[in-house]
Amino acid sequence: GAVVSQHPSRVICKSGTSVKIECRSLDFQATTMFWYRQFPKQSLMLMATSNEGSKATYEQGVEKDKFLINHASLTLSTLTVTSAHPEDSSFYICSARGPSGSYEQYFGPGTRLTVT
Amino acid sequence: AQTVTQSQPEMSVQEAETVTLSCTYDTSESDYYLFWYKQPPSRQMILVIRQEAYKQQNATENRFSVNFQKAAKSFSLKISDSQLGDAAMYFCAYRSWIYQLIWGAGTKLIIKP
Repeated sequence: GAVVSQHPSRVICKSGTSVKIECRSLDFQATTMFWYRQFPKQSLMLMATSNEGSKATYEQGVEKDKFLINHASLTLSTLTVTSAHPEDSSFYICSARGPSGSYEQYFGPGTRLTVT
Repeated sequence: AQTVTQSQPEMSVQEAETVTLSCTYDTSESDYYLFWYKQPPSRQMILVIRQEAYKQQNATENRFSVNFQKAAKSFSLKISDSQLGDAAMYFCAYRSWIYQLIWGAGTKLIIKP
């Protein structure tokens, strides 16, 4: 149980376009989801925390107008990278707070974004 | 603010031997959780083991065990009988009451056949 999926797994887009990444909790309801960015050979950097039905809380230094996060349901959060530029190329990972009583975050498989 | 430090960027071990990965953290909280995650080349984060701070007993999961020293704020991971499939990045993480994870920089574990 406690499976999180991400779609797409890889995406290539042209500079100036927008791209949406979906994160779904498949077998549990996730009131809280997290979005991370990971650069090569580095640790995970928390971008934002999203709670179902409310605005996301962004970490310092993360442009909220560039990285739009919507947590419209208990099983779906989306990250939209707007007006993407090559420097936005990265590996994006989502995670979900586990079912009630769980101590853990459950991670999606990640999305590789390449902006050309 | 909490911090997590992994001072070993890379470790290598012979297959079937034992290796210990180090992690220290800093916090003023008394109740928290500590985790070790594995990230293989597929980049899927996999939970290896977790420790609740209020528990004195060290957590164990098959070949993986921790040495949790609360006073010293140390949380090392021991992998026994290392296998080729253990090769990965290992991240130590701290979870506070707000459910956010604070991550260490990671340790790359190489298994020599």
